[in-house]
Amino acid sequence: DTAVSQTPKYLVTQMGNDKSIKCEQNLGHDTMYWYKQDSKKFLKIMFSYNNKELIINETVPNRFSPKSPDKAHLNLHINSLELGDSAVYFCASSHRQGGTDTQYFGPGTRLTVL
Amino acid sequence: GIQVEQSPPDLILQEGANSTLRCNFSDSVNNLQWFHQNPWGQLINLFYIPSGTKQNGRLSATTVATERYSLLYISSSQTTDSGVYFCALGAGNKLTFGGGTRVLVKP
Repeated sequence: DTAVSQTPKYLVTQMGNDKSIKCEQNLGHDTMYWYKQDSKKFLKIMFSYNNKELIINETVPNRFSPKSPDKAHLNLHINSLELGDSAVYFCASSHRQGGTDTQYFGPGTRLTVL
Repeated sequence: GIQVEQSPPDLILQEGANSTLRCNFSDSVNNLQWFHQNPWGQLINLFYIPSGTKQNGRLSATTVATERYSLLYISSSQTTDSGVYFCALGAGNKLTFGGGTRVLVKP
């Protein structure tokens, strides 16, 4: 069974569109994250949720809106997509918050904005 | 902010060779994690190692928290070890990733 899953795996869309990426974890973890990996492979945290509450928002544009309907799901909605949003987006989860526990990553969603 | 620097940025190995990857960090550590991103993009957690030494098969890691560095050792490298190795420093509520070491193991 996949521990952290994301859909879709690939997403190609036009500038200005709105899109969503879904993430689910079946590990029973309390904390979930979204990371962005740019074309140079640099990984940076975007958001962190603990038990459905926002813990970290790393100065991400407000076009990005995470939503956590329950602690097993953390979805990412992006409005008015821009060329610079093209990247691989990873969801992750851990038992405890942030820097204090092993994090498990999903397979990533490659977003291409044309 | 927290700085995490990895060296070397790129490493080419002949199959069977040993190598050491280094991670220097600027702040005290709650934890330090090593990840391998395979050529298909999957990020796999290798070690959770805030201090001391751990071994997992041909891989081992050592963190010296007082001197703010960690080392990842790859012994008897195989082509499946190719990919990017990241260290990530846990402090506060988040992980801060280094820039990675891109490893290519040639047959």
